[in-house]
Amino acid sequence: QSALTQPPSASGSPGQSVTISCTGTRSDVGGYNYVSWYQQHPGKAPKILIYDVNKRPSGVPGRFSGSKSGNTASLTVSGLQAEDEADYYCCSYAGSSNPYVFGTGTKVFVL
Amino acid sequence: QVQLVQSGAEVKKPGDSVIVSCKASGYTFTGYFIHWVRLAPGQGLEYMGWINPKGGTKYMQKFQGRLTMTRDTSSSTVHMELNWLTPDDTAAYFCAGEASPKAFHLWGQGTLVTVSS
Repeated sequence: QSALTQPPSASGSPGQSVTISCTGTRSDVGGYNYVSWYQQHPGKAPKILIYDVNKRPSGVPGRFSGSKSGNTASLTVSGLQAEDEADYYCCSYAGSSNPYVFGTGTKVFVL
Repeated sequence: QVQLVQSGAEVKKPGDSVIVSCKASGYTFTGYFIHWVRLAPGQGLEYMGWINPKGGTKYMQKFQGRLTMTRDTSSSTVHMELNWLTPDDTAAYFCAGEASPKAFHLWGQGTLVTVSS
């Protein structure tokens, strides 16, 4: 099972928006509405930002949003802030045999 | 508060086994599946498998035969044992709780496992 494909990096100035793509197959991203997104700062545990494609857990700012079209999911960070500089990973459910697959990860730089 | 607390860092030699523990508190232990994810240096997150605290496990095919997850309901703790370690197993290992279906809402702080001769 191959990792989902994400761009290695993305960047934007404070206040701008960045969108990160996450491309899989119809066996994972395209087959289920169970895409989640995680933010990870160096040396820290991942933190959930989005689940079920576009739902935000309580406490996650509204400037984080998720969507999906076909085999590609996306995370948009609006109104970039300095603390948004981190690694971002998508994750998709992929069925009972090999249940989850993560994306390759995207490093977001705030210029 | 609701949290997962993991055991401390480990240094192992190739061929050794390691056990990483993850203690749950602040919620009903049997309420959430616990998943294990690792992050190797310079790599991305890698999914390893899950354990249902009520019983049952599922391991990714890559780890079949050398990964074992167990639970101790009396102490609200799950354990992840990885055998036949190689330097490629050097990573931070995280447990994660599935508070809603198919998503990892609650994370342990991570346990660094270093495999070196």
